[in-house]
Amino acid sequence: DAGVIQSPRHEVTEMGQEVTLRCKPISGHDYLFWYRQTMMRGLELLIYFNNNVPIDDSGMPEDRFSAKMPNASFSTLKIQPSEPRDSAVYFCASSRGADEQYFGPGTRLTVT
Amino acid sequence: KNEVEQSPQNLTAQEGEFITINCSYSVGISALHWLQQHPGGGIVSLFMLSSGKKKHGRLIATINIQEKHSSLHITASHPRDSAVYICAAWRDSNYQLIWGAGTKLIIKP
Repeated sequence: DAGVIQSPRHEVTEMGQEVTLRCKPISGHDYLFWYRQTMMRGLELLIYFNNNVPIDDSGMPEDRFSAKMPNASFSTLKIQPSEPRDSAVYFCASSRGADEQYFGPGTRLTVT
Repeated sequence: KNEVEQSPQNLTAQEGEFITINCSYSVGISALHWLQQHPGGGIVSLFMLSSGKKKHGRLIATINIQEKHSSLHITASHPRDSAVYICAAWRDSNYQLIWGAGTKLIIKP
């Protein structure tokens, strides 16, 4: 398997623009996680899905953030409108049940 | 007080030394996760533990459920082990992941 795939790897956008981050989990994994990492706050869990259903979105910072998982092989994290403080590395991870999570390479987002 | 505490925050050691990183938690958990993040940013899952001990190469992870404590050990450390090591606990009441602050490890040749 190719592992967890994220795209784009880098995104630079202007404040106010919509940003969509994409994730393809490992085939057969039933959990998908979205994380954000910043120097100030470290690694934060934003939201996770089980069998495509959002289970806990308490980590989503505000209404500007939304995540979807239309099927078992694809998830998106959208920020609209984006702000400079959203600049971070966003990781997607997947797992089979409560087993080890496999992380994608991350998307480095810069909002100017 | 954080629900998951890691120590030390920073650790510098010489190549070949035996390394121990500790993780204590104060809540009921279903499993504890050790991860490694290299300077390039990539995150790798090392272990998921709910009891006992696991070993993979030079890495050993142990967990003591009664004492609410886990340790990550690295034997014969090498400069390529330099990374940030993070423990994260799955809270069993709501399956929420609680993170430690991470331990930055530097192994000098």
